Amino acid sequence: AQRVTQPEKLLSVFKGAPVELKCNYSYSGSPELFWYVQYSRQRLQLLLRHISRESIKGFTADLNKGETSFHLKKPFAQEEDSAMYYCALNSSNTGKLIFGQGTTLQVKP
Amino acid sequence: GAVVSQHPSRVICKSGTSVKIECRSLDFQATTMFWYRQFPKQSLMLMATSNEGSKATYEQGVEKDKFLINHASLTLSTLTVTSAHPEDSSFYICSARRTGVNPEAFFGQGTRLTVV
Repeated sequence: AQRVTQPEKLLSVFKGAPVELKCNYSYSGSPELFWYVQYSRQRLQLLLRHISRESIKGFTADLNKGETSFHLKKPFAQEEDSAMYYCALNSSNTGKLIFGQGTTLQVKP
Repeated sequence: GAVVSQHPSRVICKSGTSVKIECRSLDFQATTMFWYRQFPKQSLMLMATSNEGSKATYEQGVEKDKFLINHASLTLSTLTVTSAHPEDSSFYICSARRTGVNPEAFFGQGTRLTVV
């Protein structure tokens, strides 16, 4: 079964601290994974995708097929990073996204 | 970036009535759009895939006669919640997939439906 799991509902850190939002997936083929972010009162938007291997707003995520993980990391959290983060899997490359439960990141001053 | 517009953003309707939600891709064509439902403090659940010019594909457990989807053009998909009941109250979100070298899904702002 295709599934995305984000074990943490809430992650609270102080400004300047490192952040890691966990994401594990279950998928039989070659996965295409994304991180989406939703800031307060805004729509869901793409943060980054694993095939691009890019860093956006200081965030990076590496696909680890052995551990079936795609954790999102940032070395120094900023207050403006406070938002809801969703890990998502592109089901069979159809564009249908399977979302994790979401993790609220709270960065305290 | 590409923009997906959803309308209305908020609607309140009486039990038994039907409500139509529109999803438009403003600056690109989308042969495929997706409809999601989000319950409070929960994740997005895919309801159906809307295909331009053909029938929608519904996910397991989603009633196709309850949630009518029409994708009449390359820039517009509509979701009609028929004979709405209070349990249909939810946040409905559409996304449109821009095809190309790096296909990406863009999301509408969502529609908050309240059935009273």
